[in-house]
Amino acid sequence: DAMVIQNPRYQVTQFGKPVTLSCSQTLNHNVMYWYQQKSSQAPKLLFHYYDKDFNNEADTPDNFQSRRPNTSFCFLDIRSPGLGDAAMYLCATSRGGGLHNSPLHFGNGTRLTVT
Amino acid sequence: AQKITQTQPGMFVQEKEAVTLDCTYDTSDPSYGLFWYKQPSSGEMIFLIYQGSYDQQNATEGRYSLNFQKARKSANLVISASQLGDSAMYFCAMVGSNTGKLIFGQGTTLQVKP
Repeated sequence: DAMVIQNPRYQVTQFGKPVTLSCSQTLNHNVMYWYQQKSSQAPKLLFHYYDKDFNNEADTPDNFQSRRPNTSFCFLDIRSPGLGDAAMYLCATSRGGGLHNSPLHFGNGTRLTVT
Repeated sequence: AQKITQTQPGMFVQEKEAVTLDCTYDTSDPSYGLFWYKQPSSGEMIFLIYQGSYDQQNATEGRYSLNFQKARKSANLVISASQLGDSAMYFCAMVGSNTGKLIFGQGTTLQVKP
């Protein structure tokens, strides 16, 4: 089945130690998104790629970076995780192209713990 | 700017009864899409239903229906015949034609009582 896969499901990192979360998709979608979701809150968009074009949200901290080496893969790099970065990180994809009727397909998320 | 508002932090419903989850929105985009997602405690985000701003009829998907009132800028989700497995967090979300980004409301936690 075509899907969005996030690895790992759970990630523990130390304060200040760089960490990378990965996302892959078999849907061949143009757009890939990274959301941060803290407990009992709405997902917050960090950035998204439309093909190779990177779009950063204005309030996304510089500590968060992303890479998309090809259509299928997208990575979230947290350069120096702080305790406040502990959250669920959700990757999603969509067809894009201005098609606002295209639902986002989400992965199962990576729950990040910072010790 | 776009904004989604869900004013019910938590809701209870008796099994087999219907429940309405409220959602209002604000946007200046000429066209937009409205979505509802379900998020169980396991964390995955499950797409439930979509309504386009130019759709004449309210969307329905099985036990889910969307009560779309464009003039009032509301897009309430109706779940009929609630089941225990419906207990989850529900998010209303919107994509505008200009921004192309999906933004979420604050969510409503639904608990279905046996």
